[in-house]
Amino acid sequence: RKEVEQDPGPFNVPEGATVAFNCTYSNSASQSFFWYRQDCRKEPKLLMSVYSSGNEDGRFTAQLNRASQYISLLIRDSKLSDSATYLCAVNRRWGYNKLIFGAGTRLAVHP
Amino acid sequence: SQTIHQWPATLVQPVGSPLSLECTVEGTSNPNLYWYRQAAGRGLQLLFYSVGIGQISSEVPQNLSASRPQDRQFILSSKKLLLSDSGFYLCAWMKDRGDNEQFFGPGTRLTVL
Repeated sequence: RKEVEQDPGPFNVPEGATVAFNCTYSNSASQSFFWYRQDCRKEPKLLMSVYSSGNEDGRFTAQLNRASQYISLLIRDSKLSDSATYLCAVNRRWGYNKLIFGAGTRLAVHP
Repeated sequence: SQTIHQWPATLVQPVGSPLSLECTVEGTSNPNLYWYRQAAGRGLQLLFYSVGIGQISSEVPQNLSASRPQDRQFILSSKKLLLSDSGFYLCAWMKDRGDNEQFFGPGTRLTVL
């Protein structure tokens, strides 16, 4: 079993739709959680950190469920510009800070 | 603010040739530095990390090596490239003490023919 798993998608949604992605992690010692956005042939860019109490940034909401060991990303009112691959990342301190990345979920927003 | 640079942006090399990719970070000191590879349509594979000058740890056995000659410089090398070395190479930095967020450079797209 992979340490961090995501549904690869693609999720094809119309503009204005609400879409949610989940990311499961296997190691209960994981401490920090992040969502990254990666456009085609570009580097991943940090979208948001995921806090225990959940956090929101405009149309984006991230949540953490430690009991079930998953994080989620909700995108409301999808825009064409949201089309990208969304990577989750989980930090584990093993003598150093290491991020384990999921393979990503591809989102395609259409008119 | 901090910025991270990588070069070259793209590279086409024959099998068996050497490789040197460079990454530099500005605006921070004593960062943790990382090299990742992303194969086409795949996730990020951590290759090397460094917590300080001259300190390199390898995550996976391979024909690549890394060096950190200066605090904000990280170099990825190979003596002889393989076809399987093709991919998107990303350098990332993280604050030595912070929220564990990593920030990526623009990457180098390597094609080995």
